[in-house]
Amino acid sequence: DTAVSQTPKYLVTQMGNDKSIKCEQNLGHDTMYWYKQDSKKFLKIMFSYNNKELIINETVPNRFSPKSPDKAHLNLHINSLELGDSAVYFCASSPGTGGYGYTFGSGTRLTVV
Amino acid sequence: ELKVEQNPLFLSMQEGKNYTIYCNYSTTSDRLYWYRQDPGKSLESLFVLLSNGAVKQEGRLMASLDTKARLSTLHITAAVHDLSATYFCAVDVTSGTYKYIFGTGTRLKVLA
Repeated sequence: DTAVSQTPKYLVTQMGNDKSIKCEQNLGHDTMYWYKQDSKKFLKIMFSYNNKELIINETVPNRFSPKSPDKAHLNLHINSLELGDSAVYFCASSPGTGGYGYTFGSGTRLTVV
Repeated sequence: ELKVEQNPLFLSMQEGKNYTIYCNYSTTSDRLYWYRQDPGKSLESLFVLLSNGAVKQEGRLMASLDTKARLSTLHITAAVHDLSATYFCAVDVTSGTYKYIFGTGTRLKVLA
């Protein structure tokens, strides 16, 4: 019974394509996040939603667009993929109040060729 | 700009030895988290430290937080091969947005 599930796990696509990654959590958490982990393992926050409202939007190209249809789902759509977008993308969730840490999804390894 | 630096970045140690990983951060925060990541896997929560002087222990790992020094440590006692992984600290810079800034990670390899 996976707490935070992401699909797909692997995604290989050509430059210029558009792709989406989906995330769902069954923990009842109010806040969800997208993080990008690069080839050097560095983790950087991209977006955060709280109860479907965008609350964090870091310096991310406009080609990346998050969408949260409800508080249990957070999707990431990427337009016009570039080589530099290759990374592992992690979804995470946390309770609405701070101090609990995140629960991470299993990650989506995106490879742009 | 907020910086979260871990030291060392790479650590190779013999089984049975002790070692400490350091996490320094550059802003005021009294909440810090430690995570473990195995190769090709997700991040697993290890410790949640919520106040100055907090100390948590689980098995061979012990984490502490000194908010005045802006320093957290992860101490490994009598390392075993199963502890080989990458360890991240994350500083909670929440001010209404529950945002964590992750450290650079420490890749630990325990040699048999």
